[in-house]
Amino acid sequence: DTAVSQTPKYLVTQMGNDKSIKCEQNLGHDTMYWYKQDSKKFLKIMFSYNNKELIINETVPNRFSPKSPDKAHLNLHINSLELGDSAVYFCASSQTWDEQFFGPGTRLTVL
Amino acid sequence: QKEVEQDPGPLSVPEGAIVSLNCTYSNSAFQYFMWYRQYSRKGPELLMYTYSSGNKEDGRFTAQVDKSSKYISLFIRDSQPSDSATYLCAMISSNDYKLSFGAGTTVTVRA
Repeated sequence: DTAVSQTPKYLVTQMGNDKSIKCEQNLGHDTMYWYKQDSKKFLKIMFSYNNKELIINETVPNRFSPKSPDKAHLNLHINSLELGDSAVYFCASSQTWDEQFFGPGTRLTVL
Repeated sequence: QKEVEQDPGPLSVPEGAIVSLNCTYSNSAFQYFMWYRQYSRKGPELLMYTYSSGNKEDGRFTAQVDKSSKYISLFIRDSQPSDSATYLCAMISSNDYKLSFGAGTTVTVRA
């Protein structure tokens, strides 16, 4: 009965590679988000989609591209991975603007 | 300067103590204030939410907002080892409804 799920949970890869992280929510929410949490636990929004439309696009390198095939899924593709991309990436969803439900996170390590 | 400032700690208290956490902010457009709790290697989960100045209680937790001073607090009474987690303050601007997080304070309650 997982509400927001992400795959994979851990991702270890070499610099320069391309990788994707998948997110699915079964809460019926209209809005989904991607956040990046750095090593100091600072959580920062990257993107937000509402009903498959991009509504928030923070200052993120264009190597990061979100894709929402339907309102229950929001995937994150990262091209040409860099050392500084190492972080925990969280997906979240919400129906209203107040409470967001977070997934378990994907721990990305770039070597 | 970050829009939301939060002392990352860490904070270590004995079981039964009162835990006091706080955040300051600079953006006057922040109108909605939340506290999220994040256990190690998990996603954040909403603990408390308020939008007005004053106090809000929920069991052992009290959230306090002082909009005139741009200062919010979270108090945990009779703290338990199970309260050991990182506590993140978060705020939503009435302009864009984006969630802005503080850096998080890591709390350890010693048995």
